[in-house]
Amino acid sequence: GENVEQHPSTLSVQEGDSAVIKCTYSDSASNYFPWYKQELGKRPQLIIDIRSNVGEKKDQRIAVTLNKTAKHFSLHITETQPEDSAVYFCAASDSGAGSYQLTFGKGTKLSVIP
Amino acid sequence: SAVISQKPSRDICQRGTSLTIQCQVDSQVTMMFWYRQQPGQSLTLIATANQGSEATYESGFVIDKFPISRPNLTFSTLTVSNMSPEDSSIYLCSVLKDLGGYGYTFGSGTRLTVV
Repeated sequence: GENVEQHPSTLSVQEGDSAVIKCTYSDSASNYFPWYKQELGKRPQLIIDIRSNVGEKKDQRIAVTLNKTAKHFSLHITETQPEDSAVYFCAASDSGAGSYQLTFGKGTKLSVIP
Repeated sequence: SAVISQKPSRDICQRGTSLTIQCQVDSQVTMMFWYRQQPGQSLTLIATANQGSEATYESGFVIDKFPISRPNLTFSTLTVSNMSPEDSSIYLCSVLKDLGGYGYTFGSGTRLTVV
């Protein structure tokens, strides 16, 4: 089955700086890669996603890049703000296998220091 | 995206009892999933709830412990049976509205404490 590794497990940045979280996946058939933000006590919220036919996607301060050859994808947050503090999870899915299951990384706790 | 109502939001249960968690979606969805999230940990898939048939369980999860029903395209239940303190966790329902659009949505979760 799919295995998703996520690094770092914790990340502290100064407000206004950029944050980068990296994930690698094992199954070359995976074709969908979402990122979720989970604030304490709340449900995971989709913040951005990318499909395997795209190399990069941006949404305001958030961007995701995908390198299919290396089987890794990254989340980039620019101009970080205190409200970006949360746990971020990457995930991978192989729709081609028909299961549509999401496999999650272990998460990154991001702290933005004012 | 789909709106999910998950109940109960939290419960404290006695060892050896069972709890049934409900997941109601405001529209028909293609796929429904159940996850477990232990404190400070990531999300682990328990099973895929299949409409009108037995759920598909992941390694380490069995039907006798986590029976799942999905009678239609908008509703599913997860039962945690014969509970022990190790079952204390957050249980989350997730849905995929249609296969082409992706965008998995999560319920608000059920925080279960077994004493």
